[in-house]
Amino acid sequence: GQSLEQPSEVTAVEGAIVQINCTYQTSGFYGLSWYQQHDGGAPTFLSYNALDGLEETGRFSSFLSRSDSYGYLLLQELQMKDSASYFCAVRDRGLTGGGNKLTFGTGTQLKVEL
Amino acid sequence: DAGVTQSPTHLIKTRGQQVTLRCSPKSGHDTVSWYQQALGQGPQFIFQYYEEEERQRGNFPDRFSGHQFPNYSSELNVNALLLGDSALYLCASSWDRGYGYTFGSGTRLTVV
Repeated sequence: GQSLEQPSEVTAVEGAIVQINCTYQTSGFYGLSWYQQHDGGAPTFLSYNALDGLEETGRFSSFLSRSDSYGYLLLQELQMKDSASYFCAVRDRGLTGGGNKLTFGTGTQLKVEL
Repeated sequence: DAGVTQSPTHLIKTRGQQVTLRCSPKSGHDTVSWYQQALGQGPQFIFQYYEEEERQRGNFPDRFSGHQFPNYSSELNVNALLLGDSALYLCASSWDRGYGYTFGSGTRLTVV
């Protein structure tokens, strides 16, 4: 089956750097995505890694190691508005092999404090 | 460019009833996926539609069914509602070969 593990909660101060880790088990792996969700809102796409290495998008960076089934999201220069839930999600072929789907982790609640 | 639109935003139903949720995908997207999100949990995959066919299905009972129309919009139907079906139902659209999903704001379903 598929499973993803990430810390349930992380707290950091404004201006700091925080790393949210994700380990996964899946078959037919295509890539690892990260999504941000504010309370009651829609998840929004942050980044995607299909190959090993680091992808940088502004203050956010994401890393993938396929051999270790591991990835992380790095948030720099934290702002109060970054307080939200962050989900890693595996894009894989699923059971039927047709197309692809996203399987989400349980999420990491990030609290940014002054 | 309109994103993903879901209706209704909130819904209250009684146990045993049936409900239909609707989703209009982002312009240019042809694939629609539905997710159930309980409070404090990650979205759980229900199923995915592409070319009007259910292409992938998660671990949900047959009470959950769906449909995709020729204009790519989609419906999620849930029969014989249970209290445990109370959740936020999210629709996500994507391009078949794409990796970025665009989510709607969801329908908050409460079963009493």
